[in-house]
Amino acid sequence: NAGVTQTPKFRILKIGQSMTLQCTQDMNHNYMYWYRQDPGMGLKLIYYSVGAGITDKGEVPNGYNVSRSTTEDFPLRLELAAPSQTSVYFCASSYMGRAPEQYFGPGTRLTVT
Amino acid sequence: AQTVTQSQPEMSVQEAETVTLSCTYDTSENNYYLFWYKQPPSRQMILVIRQEAYKQQNATENRFSVNFQKAAKSFSLKISDSQLGDTAMYFCAFMNLSTGNQFYFGTGTSLTVIP
Repeated sequence: NAGVTQTPKFRILKIGQSMTLQCTQDMNHNYMYWYRQDPGMGLKLIYYSVGAGITDKGEVPNGYNVSRSTTEDFPLRLELAAPSQTSVYFCASSYMGRAPEQYFGPGTRLTVT
Repeated sequence: AQTVTQSQPEMSVQEAETVTLSCTYDTSENNYYLFWYKQPPSRQMILVIRQEAYKQQNATENRFSVNFQKAAKSFSLKISDSQLGDTAMYFCAFMNLSTGNQFYFGTGTSLTVIP
């Protein structure tokens, strides 16, 4: 049981490039989330999904896109990368029930130069 | 939107001593959860403890306990017998059951345990 896995662990992008951050969970969780964590700050929600085929915006969605075609996968797409997107990105999942806490992946450190 | 406030950016404690981290939140909801997460230098977010708003009894997990004051919207974390491995960032988080399990995080408290 790997939990929540994210790839890549590190990435450097040039301004204007695009990339996809991958996230997979093997716990059969229905909810999945993407956060960004800027230095010295807490986590801010980018997008979330309550099930396959359903996604919704969080607090800071501009510049990002998501899709959820399966229960397991929730990729985050960055289009036209900007320096303001330099951050650490976390994927998380949860199951709505008696234990609704979120389980986090190890994070992806992204630098846009 | 919900807000979560952690007013102590940094704290330190001697090994084996007790420390309390503060958290306040603002909500008009009645049905929610509160969490404390630990983020060590490895960056991994680790759940420390969970509290359901409808439960009056404070949650406890080994050396970690909370003081949940619902009327005051306060949710502090007490770490007893502090260990060097407790050195980490600690984030308080609020989850509203009516908004798709969205979490709202505070800005964190950096705790250093001094040998």
